[in-house]
Amino acid sequence: GAVVSQHPSRVICKSGTSVKIECRSLDFQATTMFWYRQFPKQSLMLMATSNEGSKATYEQGVEKDKFLINHASLTLSTLTVTSAHPEDSSFYICSARDERGPGELFFGEGSRLTVL
Amino acid sequence: AQSVTQLDSQVPVFEEAPVELRCNYSSSVSVYLFWYVQYPNQGLQLLLKYLSGSTLVKSINGFEAEFNKSQTSFHLRKPSVHISDTAEYFCAVSENQAGTALIFGKGTTLSVSS
Repeated sequence: GAVVSQHPSRVICKSGTSVKIECRSLDFQATTMFWYRQFPKQSLMLMATSNEGSKATYEQGVEKDKFLINHASLTLSTLTVTSAHPEDSSFYICSARDERGPGELFFGEGSRLTVL
Repeated sequence: AQSVTQLDSQVPVFEEAPVELRCNYSSSVSVYLFWYVQYPNQGLQLLLKYLSGSTLVKSINGFEAEFNKSQTSFHLRKPSVHISDTAEYFCAVSENQAGTALIFGKGTTLSVSS
């Protein structure tokens, strides 16, 4: 199946700094990617839809100025957590749909962010 | 908008016993349905999916799920579980068109003991 890669898999940063997480579709092009956030022992919450060449669409309650999403190419979307605080610590997962296929979303391995 | 309800947050079972993880969804349009499995500190792995056609779908490791449109359900079953099946299981739904996100249920923790 199609492969989606996330980097870094784990990151620890100090409060107030910014962290960038990359999501790449390795063997297919994705005009749309999705960013999810997962709190410990909870489900995945959709944060935003990343659209290649245009602005991301954020879900209600997600701060667009805090979670900057850029989808500059058909194989790369980035999520930047700006001025991170401990409450931003979470597991962030991206996904992309291989539009050659009927509808399956492929997920990255996830990025665990810890803000000290 | 779609929503997913997983009725059981935790399901403890003994090894080799049968198990059913329940999932109900709501949607005003036609949907795709999925079950994903997540092992500790790992990403999601697709277990099985319903896109169209036969309402009974099966995975390679013995799980199966049946799409029931009248009951808006997509329950996951396995006739005999193994210790290695211990994980978090998520049911998800999306509109049946490209470019739409998956909406996840809250997850069910399956704990298999000997």
